[in-house]
Amino acid sequence: AQSVTQPDIHITVSEGASLELRCNYSYGATPYLFWYVQSPGQGLQLLLKYFSGDTLVQGIKGFEAEFKRSQSSFNLRKPSVHWSDAAEYFCAVGTNYGGSQGNLIFGKGTKLSVKP
Amino acid sequence: DGGITQSPKYLFRKEGQNVTLSCEQNLNHDAMYWYRQDPGQGLRLIYYSQIVNDFQKGDIAEGYSVSREKKESFPLTVTSAQKNPTAFYLCASSPRYNEQFFGPGTRLTVL
Repeated sequence: AQSVTQPDIHITVSEGASLELRCNYSYGATPYLFWYVQSPGQGLQLLLKYFSGDTLVQGIKGFEAEFKRSQSSFNLRKPSVHWSDAAEYFCAVGTNYGGSQGNLIFGKGTKLSVKP
Repeated sequence: DGGITQSPKYLFRKEGQNVTLSCEQNLNHDAMYWYRQDPGQGLRLIYYSQIVNDFQKGDIAEGYSVSREKKESFPLTVTSAQKNPTAFYLCASSPRYNEQFFGPGTRLTVL
């Protein structure tokens, strides 16, 4: 069965420090991969997506992610964190075959806190 | 502006009542989705619809019902059969087989 694991429930980083949020997936075929961000009480906003091609994907707000097939990972990175990046981050894998094509399976999220 | 709207933002329900959450999109997307979000649980799929007049159960459909009579609208009814309905509900839409776009959510509280 398809699944997404975000090993870190909560991460705290200092403002200006680099960030890496981990995501591992289990999927039988070439996955569609996404990172979303959610501020408290709000909906989810798409940061970036990977469908095919270049394994290093650039997104909005200075985020990037790298798809590593051999490690079944799609980690999110940012070189310098801003206080406004404090939020919850969700990794998701999209199913691309069968009757549920287009559905997303989400990880449980990583909450990011930023220290001044 | 194109987007997804959900109403109301906050909803209170007495035990034994059915309530309906609204979701409307003007993005001309074929597919629409309902998720439930609980702290530490991520998003769990309740129902989805890939085309008008058709919908499928997700992972936690028990106690919920939906309809898809128009492309723009996908209302969710939380019935009295849902034993623990207090949660944050998110609606999303998608141009099929692509990323999903989310609404702002409805927080439902059972009194």
